[in-house]
Amino acid sequence: GAVVSQHPSWVICKSGTSVKIECRSLDFQATTMFWYRQFPKQSLMLMATSNEGSKATYEQGVEKDKFLINHASLTLSTLTVTSAHPEDSSFYICSASATSGTAGELFFGEGSRLTVL
Amino acid sequence: KQEVTQIPAALSVPEGENLVLNCSFTDSAIYNLQWFRQDPGKGLTSLLLIQSSQREQTSGRLNASLDKSSGRSTLYIAASQPGDSATYLCAVGGFQKLVFGTGTRLLVSP
Repeated sequence: GAVVSQHPSWVICKSGTSVKIECRSLDFQATTMFWYRQFPKQSLMLMATSNEGSKATYEQGVEKDKFLINHASLTLSTLTVTSAHPEDSSFYICSASATSGTAGELFFGEGSRLTVL
Repeated sequence: KQEVTQIPAALSVPEGENLVLNCSFTDSAIYNLQWFRQDPGKGLTSLLLIQSSQREQTSGRLNASLDKSSGRSTLYIAASQPGDSATYLCAVGGFQKLVFGTGTRLLVSP
């Protein structure tokens, strides 16, 4: 299957700093990328949907200015957690689709565990 | 608003048993339904994708069915193995959105 790489796999930072997480599709062009957040023992919650070259669409309750998403190319999307606080500590997972929307199969990265001290 | 529920939340079986995981969703207007596996602290691995026009998909010991009208999908695992131990998630695909269920934690003991 298609490969989606996420980096870093884990990061620890001090409160108030910003953290950038990268999501790359290695062997296909990702028209659409999705960012999810997962708390311990809970399911994945969609944060935002991004299409290459356009602004991300955020889910209700997700702060756009805090979770900056950039999808500048068909193989790379980044999520920047700005001014991170302990409540932002979570497991962040990206997924990518070669087609628009969710009509096609989604491929997921390995996730990035963020711990904010 | 689409809601996805998985039953049971946890399941423990001895090796070799055949088992069924259930997924139900409230809005039948879906594009597809996907089953994933997640190991602790890891990302998701896609197992099976069923398009809305399909009734089932099979891959090895896995078989997933979809009954869109009743809002249900089942994942059947034949001859379970300890390596099957993981959390299994179903996700319902709508336009530009994939809604996940709460998952079933499976433990297969030797």
